[in-house]
Amino acid sequence: NAGVTQTPKFQVLKTGQSMTLQCAQDMNHEYMSWYRQDPGMGLRLIHYSVGAGITDQGEVPNGYNVSRSTTEDFPLRLLSAAPSQTSVYFCASSPGQGLGTEAFFGQGTRLTVV
Amino acid sequence: GENVEQHPSTLSVQEGDSAVIKCTYSDSASNYFPWYKQELGKRPQLIIDIRSNVGEKKDQRIAVTLNKTAKHFSLHITETQPEDSAVYFCAAGGGTARQLTFGSGTQLTVLP
Repeated sequence: NAGVTQTPKFQVLKTGQSMTLQCAQDMNHEYMSWYRQDPGMGLRLIHYSVGAGITDQGEVPNGYNVSRSTTEDFPLRLLSAAPSQTSVYFCASSPGQGLGTEAFFGQGTRLTVV
Repeated sequence: GENVEQHPSTLSVQEGDSAVIKCTYSDSASNYFPWYKQELGKRPQLIIDIRSNVGEKKDQRIAVTLNKTAKHFSLHITETQPEDSAVYFCAAGGGTARQLTFGSGTQLTVLP
């Protein structure tokens, strides 16, 4: 049981490049989400999904897209990378709809945009 | 939506002393309050959580208290040890916002 798996662990992008951060979970959780972590700002929600085919915006969605075609996968796409998107990104999943249950985090992706 | 404020942002204590971290939330409908510990370079991991029908919960050296009327909850760590040094996040969920909202984190340092 791998839990929540994120790839890659580290990534350097040039401004304007696009890329996809991968997230997969093997716990059959309905709820998945993406957070970014910046110093002194905690974990801020980018996008989330309450089930396959359903996504919604979080606190800081601009510049990011998501899709949820399967229960297991929830990729995060950066459309045109900017230095302000330099951050550590965490994917998380929760059983049920995640409203009142534990969130399980992936190991994180450290992204640097130059 | 929900807004969670966490204090202090940094906290240093001597080994063996107690540490207290406090959070307030804004959505009275929130009913789930977890605490996460994040060691340097690692992912956040749940250490304790409490639901709104409970006022206090303990697990060995850690405890969480909840005051629904005042909309605040606190993490208490007793007999602190160097391995308690980490960033701690509070969160609130289960309310009108359809996701967990996190506080900004507290860097706890336990001095030997």
